[in-house]
Parts: sequence; structure tokens; C-alpha cells
Amino acid sequence: GQNIDQPTEMTATEGAIVQINCTYQTSGFNGLFWYQQHAGEAPTFLSYNVLDGLEEKGRFSSFLSRSKGYSYLLLKELQMKDSASYLCAVRDSNYQLIWGAGTKLIIKP
Amino acid sequence: ETGVTQTPRHLVMGMTNKKSLKCEQHLGHNAMYWYKQSAKKPLELMFVYSLEERVENNSVPSRFSPECPNSSHLFLHLHTLQPEDSALYLCASSQEVGQGYEKLFFGSGTQLSVL
Repeated sequence: GQNIDQPTEMTATEGAIVQINCTYQTSGFNGLFWYQQHAGEAPTFLSYNVLDGLEEKGRFSSFLSRSKGYSYLLLKELQMKDSASYLCAVRDSNYQLIWGAGTKLIIKP
Repeated sequence: ETGVTQTPRHLVMGMTNKKSLKCEQHLGHNAMYWYKQSAKKPLELMFVYSLEERVENNSVPSRFSPECPNSSHLFLHLHTLQPEDSALYLCASSQEVGQGYEKLFFGSGTQLSVL
């Protein structure tokens, strides 16, 4: 079966750095997405990786290793507004999106 | 503002009621989706429409009935639901259906409670 694993919950301190991991086992690979979802709001697109390496976008970076079936989202200079759930999703060989259950990130002052 | 609007935001219904969820996208996209989001579970894809034609139905019970009258509007008609159907129902759109770099634009969802 197809599976995406990410931690259920993480806690970090304002101003610090946090890394949210995502491991996947899918039938093929056609890209990995990260979405952010604040409580009661719509998930919004953060990043897309299809090739190995690091993609940087401001305070957020996303890394992919296809050989290891592994990605992480790196958040720097954490702000209180970064408290949200972070969803990892992989597009498989049939271009179906396989979703993880999400990581709830709690930022403390 | 994501360009995808869902109404109502909250809905409480009894198991014998009939209600409808509405979704509208202002992005000129060709594909629209219904997802179910339950606490601590992955998003579950329910239905996919491409240019008003249903292209995917993921073994969803018949008590959920989608309707796509045009590429900007999507409905989910609900009848005789069960308490386990209580969840957040998310609508999403994308330029096309699931090809390569296709990111989804989500609405804020309808929080449904079935009593």
C-alpha cells in the first residue's frame, strides 16, 4: 500500500528553527508538495519538489531525497503565525495525490 | 483569500435531513475536487470533476451526491448521513486534473456535524 508518514505534533520556540520530516512509500513518484493549514482555514500551497535537493523560499525551505523516500520542511526564524498544520503530499505514478495526516506545529513564545 | 469559496462554514444536521454544500471558484480553473478531512487522518479524495465531467469517484457512499453544473461551481448533496460522516469537507480547484506541477487551491471548508 501507499503511505506517507509525518510526526503528529511538534513544538518549537519563537525565533528558532524547526524541521518537519515526511517519509513516503508510493507507487512511483511525480512530485512532493507541502501545504500549510491554519486552524479553521483552507490549506495553502507552500512548496513543490520533484528533483533532489533543497528549494528555498524566504523563511521556508523544502528538501527532497527520492532515493530515500524522504522530504523535510525547514522553517527558520519562527513566528507565532507559523503555528499551523503542515501537510505533506506525494503524487504517484498515476498522478494521484497521496496525503500524510499532517503535522501540527505549536510555537511557544 | 484563496479564490475558492465554500458555504456554509458550519452545518449541523440530523441523520434524516437533506442538505447541500456549495463551492465556487473564481480562478478560471478546469478541475474541482471534494475532499473529506477527519481529525488526525489524511485528506480523503471523494470526487474529481474536469470541465464539469466527473472523472473520479473514490468509492464514496451514495448518501453523498456531487453535482458540477459548470466549471466554477460544485455542490455536494447530503442525505441520510451517519454520525461518522462528521468531518471538515474541503473543496479545491486546480488548472487541470493531476498533471505534474498542479497545485490545489482550497476553500476554507464546511465543518459538518451529524447528530
